[in-house]
Amino acid sequence: AQKVTQAQTEISVVEKEDVTLDCVYETRDTTYYLFWYKQPPSGELVFLIRRNSFDEQNEISGRYSWNFQKSTSSFNFTITASQVVDSAVYFCALNRDDKIIFGKGTRLHILP
Amino acid sequence: KAGVTQTPRYLIKTRGQQVTLSCSPISGHRSVSWYQQTPGQGLQFLFEYFSETQRNKGNFPGRFSGRQFSNSRSEMNVSTLELGDSALYLCASSVSTRMGEQYFGPGTRLTVT
Repeated sequence: AQKVTQAQTEISVVEKEDVTLDCVYETRDTTYYLFWYKQPPSGELVFLIRRNSFDEQNEISGRYSWNFQKSTSSFNFTITASQVVDSAVYFCALNRDDKIIFGKGTRLHILP
Repeated sequence: KAGVTQTPRYLIKTRGQQVTLSCSPISGHRSVSWYQQTPGQGLQFLFEYFSETQRNKGNFPGRFSGRQFSNSRSEMNVSTLELGDSALYLCASSVSTRMGEQYFGPGTRLTVT
């Protein structure tokens, strides 16, 4: 069975702190895609990143970085020097054969 | 380029009624997917349409149906509404059939009373 677990339901950090959101997935497939989406209070999900199962290279985009480790089935997301605008719910998702499964999401509060 | 639009944004219906939600994808996108988001179940996939054909379907009862038109616009219909159908319904579009790198609309908030 395929499953995505985001164990952190809610996280609060003070602005400028670094924060890591965890994502652990389960799949027996060798070919799959992993994603992160951001859902701000407005409700619209925003695509952040897509990573295929054959590319374990870490990625950095500005203050955002992602660490993909197949050995531990994890795809963690780190925000460096967090800002209040980063406050949102973040979803990790797994896609294989056009079936996408979302984690329950992590609600991130960045306190000024 | 205009984003994904959904209408209406808010809707209140009574149990037993039916409802139709509309989604206009980003120009050039041929795949449209629908999701239901509730506090209890989270984000759940409903179905995906590509070139007017349903390609994938999630685990929802037959009361949930959809269709896609030749201009890629899509509609979702829920018949015989139940209280548990109250949710945020999100539509997402993508260029190809592969669900993943999708662009989401703002959603339609449906309340069933």
